[in-house]
Amino acid sequence: GQNIDQPTEMTATEGAIVQINCTYQTSGFNGLFWYQQHAGEAPTFLSYNVLDGLEEKGRFSSFLSRSKGYSYLLLKELQMKDSASYLCAVNWGGATNKLIFGTGTLLAVQP
Amino acid sequence: DTEVTQTPKHLVMGMTNKKSLKCEQHMGHRAMYWYKQKAKKPPELMFVYSYEKLSINESVPSRFSPECPNSSLLNLHLHALQPEDSALYLCASSLGLTPSGANVLTFGAGSRLTVL
Repeated sequence: GQNIDQPTEMTATEGAIVQINCTYQTSGFNGLFWYQQHAGEAPTFLSYNVLDGLEEKGRFSSFLSRSKGYSYLLLKELQMKDSASYLCAVNWGGATNKLIFGTGTLLAVQP
Repeated sequence: DTEVTQTPKHLVMGMTNKKSLKCEQHMGHRAMYWYKQKAKKPPELMFVYSYEKLSINESVPSRFSPECPNSSLLNLHLHALQPEDSALYLCASSLGLTPSGANVLTFGAGSRLTVL
């Protein structure tokens, strides 16, 4: 199987830090992406991890542990506009870009 | 041009109709994808094209028929759909097909399909 699990919903306060976790089956893993999707809009790319460790991009960071089948997305200095769904997606295609999305986490940022 | 353009934005069709969804990109991407997204669910992969050839078909029913007439265009032909096929259909493209950070998927805004 290709189960990718995330918490369904999270709530955080403006200005705070939130961590969104993602777990996946390790067999065949070939890279992990995080996407943001506002309601009614297209998913937009946030980050990519293929090696263990932390990738930082401004207010957003993403971490990967391949041996544990675990990733997280860290959002700092939360803003109201960060309210969206956050999708973890794993590439399992071998030589092919076969991107499978996780269940998604709906983040609500409150004042 | 850094966009993937999908038309129409909204489509309502009956179960006996034949319609098509269109997707276009001018970024020089050679891989194109169709995903289906139901409300409050993640996108589900349907088809992957590479260099205008079908690379992946995720066991999609034959009432969905993809076509890639050239490297910039991707169509999804719809025939004899069911109400449960109502969803947002997302098109995406990437520079190439090899899994890497260079081949990030760029998504279009989607075509929202309602089957009556």
